[in-house]
Amino acid sequence: DIQMTQSPSALSASVGDRVTITCRASQNIGNYLNWYQQKPGTAPKLLIYAASSVQRGVPSRFSGSRSGTYFTLTISSLQPEDFATYYCQQSFSTLYSFGQGTKLEI
Amino acid sequence: QVQMQESGPGLVKPSGTLSLTCTVSGGSISDYHWGWIRQSPQKGLEWIGSVNSSGRDNYNPSLKSRVTISLETSMNQFSLKLSSVTAADTAVYFCARVSYDFWTGDYYYYMDVWGKGTTVSVSS
Repeated sequence: DIQMTQSPSALSASVGDRVTITCRASQNIGNYLNWYQQKPGTAPKLLIYAASSVQRGVPSRFSGSRSGTYFTLTISSLQPEDFATYYCQQSFSTLYSFGQGTKLEI
Repeated sequence: QVQMQESGPGLVKPSGTLSLTCTVSGGSISDYHWGWIRQSPQKGLEWIGSVNSSGRDNYNPSLKSRVTISLETSMNQFSLKLSSVTAADTAVYFCARVSYDFWTGDYYYYMDVWGKGTTVSVSS
């Protein structure tokens, strides 16, 4: 099974900050990496797919990148609506797996 | 705009079978893959499995012996059945559309439409 490890588990930031969340895969997964945002009581929302492609309708302040087995989600200028939990998910294996989540707090 | 909605009992007895249905509106179930994911405080987000428009299924090996996901094309629905449930199966269950992009010779899969989720508790 492919393990996905996110860091940090929690992060405090302020409106306007630039924030970076990292996800490491336990093996090479190419660009088969997606990012989701989840707010309490709601379903995850797709932000980024294929490591760096921004989903239609997602603000341009969200971006994704890859370096080897490390993946990064960057929010260039935090907005109040961005405070949520973020998850990475690999689709390299047919057994999809998720990271444990990064909670972004004010 | 495609929307998805889970339905089914919120309480299942231990050793019983959990049965959920996902109704898809605003689009045809004859395209794409369709999946189930669950979320619990203990395990986080966990992939259960999926079925494609041809009825071919793919399950999490840890659940494979207990899971069936099937399409009901005429109703534009797909379903999840999980047998021999225990308290460890208590979770919020989500259905999702699995879309893909074909790019540089590879298929990149992602879940772009989700239901709101339904809470299922296993208890006597």
